[in-house]
Amino acid sequence: EIVLTQSPGTLSLSPGGRATLSCRASQSVTSNYLAWFQQKPGQAPRLLIYGASSRAPGIPDRFSGSGSGTDFTLTISRLEPEDFAVYYCQQYETSPWTFGQGTKVEIK
Amino acid sequence: QVQLQESGPGLVKPSETLSLTCTVSGGSISNYYWSWIRQPPGKGLEWIGYLYYSGSTNYNPSLKSRVTISVDTSKNHFSLELTSVTAADTAVYYCARGRGYVSFDYWGQGTLVTVSS
Repeated sequence: EIVLTQSPGTLSLSPGGRATLSCRASQSVTSNYLAWFQQKPGQAPRLLIYGASSRAPGIPDRFSGSGSGTDFTLTISRLEPEDFAVYYCQQYETSPWTFGQGTKVEIK
Repeated sequence: QVQLQESGPGLVKPSETLSLTCTVSGGSISNYYWSWIRQPPGKGLEWIGYLYYSGSTNYNPSLKSRVTISVDTSKNHFSLELTSVTAADTAVYYCARGRGYVSFDYWGQGTLVTVSS
């Protein structure tokens, strides 16, 4: 099983700031089948990024994904009030598909 | 617009079977992967398994002995059965659509299932 480790656990930033979230895989995700989801309290996760760097339809361009192999990054260039949430990475290359433990982006 | 809606009992007794259905509207169940994912209160996400519309399945080994996912294409819905439940199975259960390279692009709103006597 591929274990995904996200860091940091919590990120405290101000609106307008830049958020950099890390996701490290225990083995290579060779086809870049790596996604990022945003989850707000009481809501289902929402797909932001798939294929490591492709934005899902309707996702603002302040969200970007990068990386390959075992190291992946989600960057939010300028935090809007609605971006404060929990973010999960997920690999869907190797069964069982697995999620990271999440990074909470909170208002500083 | 594709929409997914989970339905089923919110309370299940220990050792019994949890049964949920996900109804898909606004699109066909064909040509996609359909997954169940769960989230214990205050915790992270766990993929339970998927079913391809043709009927083939793939389950998380941690749950494989207790899980069955099935489809009824005539009703455009798919279902989850989880047997011999314990309190550790208490969670919000989500259904989601998977599309190959895209991962989970549509989700239901989730349904809380509590295992308690």
